[in-house]
Amino acid sequence: DVQLLESGGDLVQPGWSLRLSCAASGFTFSSFAMNWVRQAPGKGLEWVSTISAGGANTYYADSVKGRFTISRDNSKNTLYLQMNSLRAEDTAVYYCARGLKARGIISYDYWGQGTLVTVSS
Amino acid sequence: DIQMTQSPSSLSASVGDRVTITCRASQGISNYLAWFQQKPGKAPKSLIYAASSLHSGVPSKFSGSGSGTDFTLTISSLQPEDSATYYCQQYDAYPITFGQGTRLEIK
Repeated sequence: DVQLLESGGDLVQPGWSLRLSCAASGFTFSSFAMNWVRQAPGKGLEWVSTISAGGANTYYADSVKGRFTISRDNSKNTLYLQMNSLRAEDTAVYYCARGLKARGIISYDYWGQGTLVTVSS
Repeated sequence: DIQMTQSPSSLSASVGDRVTITCRASQGISNYLAWFQQKPGKAPKSLIYAASSLHSGVPSKFSGSGSGTDFTLTISSLQPEDSATYYCQQYDAYPITFGQGTRLEIK
């Protein structure tokens, strides 16, 4: 079975950094693009970032561009999101989601359970 | 950016009913439209991609249609477990965008 397990969420102060991880299992990780989607408390879904299967292509929402970096380690079947200069508006549950194919603009099939990031002083 | 507008924002229906949720894109997106279901406190679940293709394991009571700018999600034979918020998503162009969600209550 496909499983995605996020970790790394925490309570941090504005301006701090945090790295989220998403451990994948049950499929050939290196064959699928991966994504981060977030959901602020009581709000809707917001796409954050996408990385192609090989890692060569990355895409970001304007709200995080220049502050967040998506990456992956296909040898460890793990997706990452490095979040710098965190702001209160970054407070959200962060989900990783598997893309439908290796590259391109894609939707998702499987989702992780999410990890909560809270940015507050 | 492509704006996705869902209607209604919320609706209430009875067990056994059929409901339709509409999603409109601010510009044509061909059939690059997906639907997701989210129950309170849970991760989203993927229902439909390419406007009308069901993901594996999704019951046939869910169906999608549309192309261009106007899309619909229809849920038939409503059951209490269908109570959730439903989101559409366009993946025709970056940034990928979601509709604001439609909350479905089962009376």
